[in-house]
Amino acid sequence: GAGVSQSPSNKVTEKGKDVELRCDPISGHTALYWYRQSLGQGLEFLIYFQGNSAPDKSGLPSDRFSAERTGGSVSTLTIQRTQQEDSAVYLCASSEALYEQYFGPGTRLTVT
Amino acid sequence: GESVGLHLPTLSVQEGDNSIINCAYSNSASDYFIWYKQESGKGPQFIIDIRSNMDKRQGQRVTVLLNKTVKHLSLQIAATQPGDSAVYFCAENSGGSNYKLTFGKGTLLTVNP
Repeated sequence: GAGVSQSPSNKVTEKGKDVELRCDPISGHTALYWYRQSLGQGLEFLIYFQGNSAPDKSGLPSDRFSAERTGGSVSTLTIQRTQQEDSAVYLCASSEALYEQYFGPGTRLTVT
Repeated sequence: GESVGLHLPTLSVQEGDNSIINCAYSNSASDYFIWYKQESGKGPQFIIDIRSNMDKRQGQRVTVLLNKTVKHLSLQIAATQPGDSAVYFCAENSGGSNYKLTFGKGTLLTVNP
């Protein structure tokens, strides 16, 4: 079956612009996660959705970052007024069972 | 498997050898651990998991060992193949969280033919 998909796969933006990153989870998965991976680093937890609710937003680095999920499916991560330090790979994962998170291929964001 | 600054620990092995990748986890309250494999340009892929009530679990060509006394996790890969070349991450469920995973920095495994 189809896995987690993310779009775009690559995004280059100018400093100060807003960007939207999209995640399509595996159908039927109620939990959705966003992570950020900087070059040569592990994954940094950003936010977790259970259904359309986000019980844990503790990983969002600043108020420039927000995320929403609609219909218990697609999620969008928005970064406003992008900064160079926002450059990273943004990974989305979804799960049905506890912990078994399936990852998408990521969106590579470059802020120039 | 400890990371130093921004440099990934690396492990280079010959094809057919066994590989051991180590990880020190941080939270003694964590009770679930996972190993992920990440190939270049792809998202992490689940390999094997273990709960804290076990100290060893085996999969196909892989074995995970857990030592809770010293908070140490290892991944053993038998008969390593070139396709095993990737970055390997350990993850823990952040102090017993039922959803949140904390990832280590990763180890780069290179398999030489």
